[in-house]
Amino acid sequence: DIQMTQSPSSLSASVGDRVTITCRASQGISNSLVWYQLKPGKAPRFLLHAASRLESGVPSRFSGSGSGTDYTLTISSLQPEDFATYYCQQYDSIPLTFGGGTKVEIK
Amino acid sequence: EVELLESGGALVQPGGSLRLSCAASGFTFNNYAMNWVRQAPGKGLEWVSIITDRGDITKYADSVKGRFTISRDNSRNTLYLQMNSLRADDTALYFCAKALAGSCGTTTCNSRVLSLWGQGTLVTVSS
Repeated sequence: DIQMTQSPSSLSASVGDRVTITCRASQGISNSLVWYQLKPGKAPRFLLHAASRLESGVPSRFSGSGSGTDYTLTISSLQPEDFATYYCQQYDSIPLTFGGGTKVEIK
Repeated sequence: EVELLESGGALVQPGGSLRLSCAASGFTFNNYAMNWVRQAPGKGLEWVSIITDRGDITKYADSVKGRFTISRDNSRNTLYLQMNSLRADDTALYFCAKALAGSCGTTTCNSRVLSLWGQGTLVTVSS
């Protein structure tokens, strides 16, 4: 199974800050990486796939990059609605595996 | 409106069974693979199972293999998860999720990208 290591597990930031979350796979996953946003009591939200392809309707302040085993999600200017937990997921092989999550909190 | 609505979660005793349902609306259900993902209390996301658009291919996490069965009824736009021999560590919020595609292509597998999720249904396994 491919292990996904996400860091940091939590961070505190202010509105307007630039935030970067990292996800490392235990082996190369050929850009087969998705990012999701979770908020309590709401359906998880699909943000982008193929490491960098933004889903329609997702604000352009979200971006993804990376290759091989190392990937990042960047929020260029954090907004109040962005405080949530973010998960990466690889889809290169079954079983699908998720990172441990990054909780973005208000400083 | 494009929507997934899970149901069937309940409190069940260890060793018991439960069937979850996921009603889909607002899109052509039989064009997309479907998945189940769970989140135990205070924990992260764990993928459970996938079924292709036609229902001809299913895969499972090792933790549920042999105990859980995924199925779909395309005439009813509904996804199911039959859960048998339930254990305490199956306690979780169970999400159904629509994929980006119906099955794997030649170069990529967008059927494993979870593009739309429901809000989940809670399964508690306890005596």
